[in-house]
Amino acid sequence: DADVTQTPRNRITKTGKRIMLECSQTKGHDRMYWYRQDPGLGLRLIYYSFDVKDINKGEISDGYSVSRQAQAKFSLSLESAIPNQTALYFCATSDTASGKETQYFGPGTRLLVL
Amino acid sequence: AQRVTQPEKLLSVFKGAPVELKCNYSYSGSPELFWYVQYSRQRLQLLLRHISRESIKGFTADLNKGETSFHLKKPFAQEEDSAMYYCALSADYNTDKLIFGTGTRLQVFP
Repeated sequence: DADVTQTPRNRITKTGKRIMLECSQTKGHDRMYWYRQDPGLGLRLIYYSFDVKDINKGEISDGYSVSRQAQAKFSLSLESAIPNQTALYFCATSDTASGKETQYFGPGTRLLVL
Repeated sequence: AQRVTQPEKLLSVFKGAPVELKCNYSYSGSPELFWYVQYSRQRLQLLLRHISRESIKGFTADLNKGETSFHLKKPFAQEEDSAMYYCALSADYNTDKLIFGTGTRLQVFP
């Protein structure tokens, strides 16, 4: 089945370290998103990309960067991790052709910054 | 500002009881609204959208523009409905950007 996958699923890192979270999809979708989920705050959009050459900031992009290496891959980087970036990170995809708003989510990456 | 408010963090009911998960939004244009659900150990998935006017797993939601609400309802809750529910707003016609509420955890007791 076509899917959205995220690696790693869990990560512990130290303050100041650079880390990368990866997202891959086999759905053939053109649009990809990164969210973070925090207790009591719901999901907040970090970055989104509508195709390989299109990258847009979301609601909370400070401290993060992204790379759309291919239509199927969208990576999120924390250049210098800090403890308040401890959260559950979700990647999602959507398809322009199939209509708006149905976003398909990956299983999430749980990140702990010490 | 565009915002989605889910006033209840936790809603607990017994099996067979009616359920209403509240969602209010602020947006001056014509919004498109959705409910997403996250069952335990599963990924977030779309439950229903207002433009489809559909009933999924017995849940319905009606967009009330006068009250700016999109409450999720089910007449008889089941234990398998226990999950985290997120209301979401799409306020930008040209994108698929979603604004999520903070979520409501529904617990259905036997």
